[in-house]
Amino acid sequence: SQTIHQWPATLVQPVGSPLSLECTVEGTSNPNLYWYRQAAGRGLQLLFYSVGIGQISSEVPQNLSASRPQDRQFILSSKKLLLSDSGFYLCAWGRGTVDEKLFFGSGTQLSVL
Amino acid sequence: EDKVVQSPLSLVVHEGDTVTLNCSYEVTNFRSLLWYKQEKKAPTFLFMLTSSGIEKKSGRLSSILDKKELFSILNITATQTGDSAVYLCAVPTSGTYKYIFGTGTRLKVLA
Repeated sequence: SQTIHQWPATLVQPVGSPLSLECTVEGTSNPNLYWYRQAAGRGLQLLFYSVGIGQISSEVPQNLSASRPQDRQFILSSKKLLLSDSGFYLCAWGRGTVDEKLFFGSGTQLSVL
Repeated sequence: EDKVVQSPLSLVVHEGDTVTLNCSYEVTNFRSLLWYKQEKKAPTFLFMLTSSGIEKKSGRLSSILDKKELFSILNITATQTGDSAVYLCAVPTSGTYKYIFGTGTRLKVLA
């Protein structure tokens, strides 16, 4: 069966520090991968989307970047965090044409102070 | 522009009540609509709907899609405190597998 791992679960970082959140998927190959952010009491905002290694689509201009160095690994990064980067970050995967369901990781609560 | 709107934003009911959550959408070349339940962390998948008028059912939860009027409803009968959560709906945008989500409905079920 397929599983998705996301870490860390919580993170407190000072303004101006770097960020690296990692997500890996097991049990499937060539998944579509996603990073979403959820502000308190809000819906999910799509940040990045990837259909393959090295292929990244950025949805919202921002202080963040994403990379996909391996087929089942998706990384969210920042060189210098801003206060506005605080939020709940969710990684997700899907199989595209095979099945349109999305499956989510357990999320990272990021607080930038 | 593709969009998904959910209503109500929040809802408080008592155990045993029946609730109806709404999701309306505007998307070119509609393919599917998905419902999720989010308790504390990861949204968990509930239903995927692709065809109009066909009800999906799982226990006390059911959902139906109206492709003519561009909406879906999620029904929960005999609510329990464990149903307390945020319920999200999402649709993939035209020609892609990028999903846009509504803001969610926050349901609180009181004992």
